[in-house]
Parts: sequence; C-alpha cells; structure tokens
Amino acid sequence: FLLAQPHSVSESPGKTVVISCTRSSGSIASNYVQWYQQRPGSAPTIVIYEDNQRPSGVPDRFSGSIDSSSNSASLTVSGLKTEDEADYYCQSYDSSNHVVFGGGTKLTVL
Amino acid sequence: EVQLVESGGGLVQPGGSLRLSCAASGFTFSFYWMHWVRQVPGKGLVWVSRINGDGTNTSHADSVKGRFTISRDNAKNTLYLQMNSLRAEDTAVYYCTRDFPSYGPHFSNSFDPWGQGTLVTVSS
Repeated sequence: FLLAQPHSVSESPGKTVVISCTRSSGSIASNYVQWYQQRPGSAPTIVIYEDNQRPSGVPDRFSGSIDSSSNSASLTVSGLKTEDEADYYCQSYDSSNHVVFGGGTKLTVL
Repeated sequence: EVQLVESGGGLVQPGGSLRLSCAASGFTFSFYWMHWVRQVPGKGLVWVSRINGDGTNTSHADSVKGRFTISRDNAKNTLYLQMNSLRAEDTAVYYCTRDFPSYGPHFSNSFDPWGQGTLVTVSS
C-alpha cells in the first residue's frame, strides 16, 4: 500500500496547519500511524505515535487523528512557530509488518 | 542520554560490500528491537531491516532481501548492517533507530530516537 501526502503546505506563524496522509489500500484504522519531523540537515524525530499519542517533550501544539471515512490520517500543528518549518512524514505498516512511509510534506512557516 | 552513532559509510563500487555499524548508549541495548532506515538525499524514508533484542529474529525489506543482513553484538552495544552486492539504487543515508515507545518481545513499527546517519554512495 502507499501513503499519499501533499508535497508542500505553508502557513503563517500563529496559524494552524493540517497535513493529510491517505492510505491507498487497506483500512487506515487497521494499523497505527506515526508522524516524524525532519528539520534540514537533521535526522527524523517522532512527534506522534499510535495515531494520536504525543511523546514526552513534544509540544501539545502537535496532534494526530485518523478518519476512516477518508481512509486518512492527519497531523495538526497549531500556533505555528518558525521552528516548526520542516519535512513531515507519516508512517504505518500492514498485517505482514511491511513498513511504509509517506513521501513527506514540506511545511513552510511564512 | 540515549545516543545512536552510525559509522562505516563511504564510496563503494557496484557489486561491492560494506558493513555499517551503530554504537548505542544510554539505554539497555539488548532489550530493544532495532531498525535500519535509509533515505536518498532529498527524498523520502524507506525502512530496511529490523532485529529483535537477542538477535534471533530479523526481517528485511524486499528490495534488500538476500543482499543485506542485520545483526547485533549486545556485548558491544552495537548494531550492524552487512550490505553485499550493492547497487546504485542503494545510495542513501542509512539511519539506525530504536523501536519506540518501549521494549519487549514485540516490535511497535515506530521509531525513535534516530542516529545522525551515515552516507553510502554506490558508484563506479
């Protein structure tokens, strides 16, 4: 299966942005979705796991959700800061434990 | 502080071999599933391999199966990726990462923290 993400999104500081991740086959609810942030020149870090869980140290401005009707997951970042500018990747897996990452979304905070 | 430090990357000719290492510190290494994930510069992330805590259970992506082997030395707190029959399409930054959020007999298929990565370039 594939995970489709928009190539890029942009928004102003203080605003809210939503990044989508649509699963091509199989139910989005069948396997957990994770989200990773990758700043330029750095390794990824996890910001959401198990669909909507936030690791310690991740600001509560980051939240995750899934929508079975659209077979998609979403990462919402509210109160945007310039430091949120990064690439964001969704990730999930299937019943055979094949791990799949989305193609990534470049978030620009204007 | 949990730390993962990869090494062993470099330039290798097509058909050649390379062994990557990942030195772990700051946690009980033998408790955790560990993974390798790669990223072509400027492109997306691709999962490569996983291994359980005692090294008895491994899995590889179809694209590397039969060519790459993941292993670990818990006495040295080190994860390895032996890469044989390398191809140009294996060119990427290779990251070692730990299963997240917890340890145990079952993996979570989520990853954190990550090392800084080591670049492998396959070219003649």
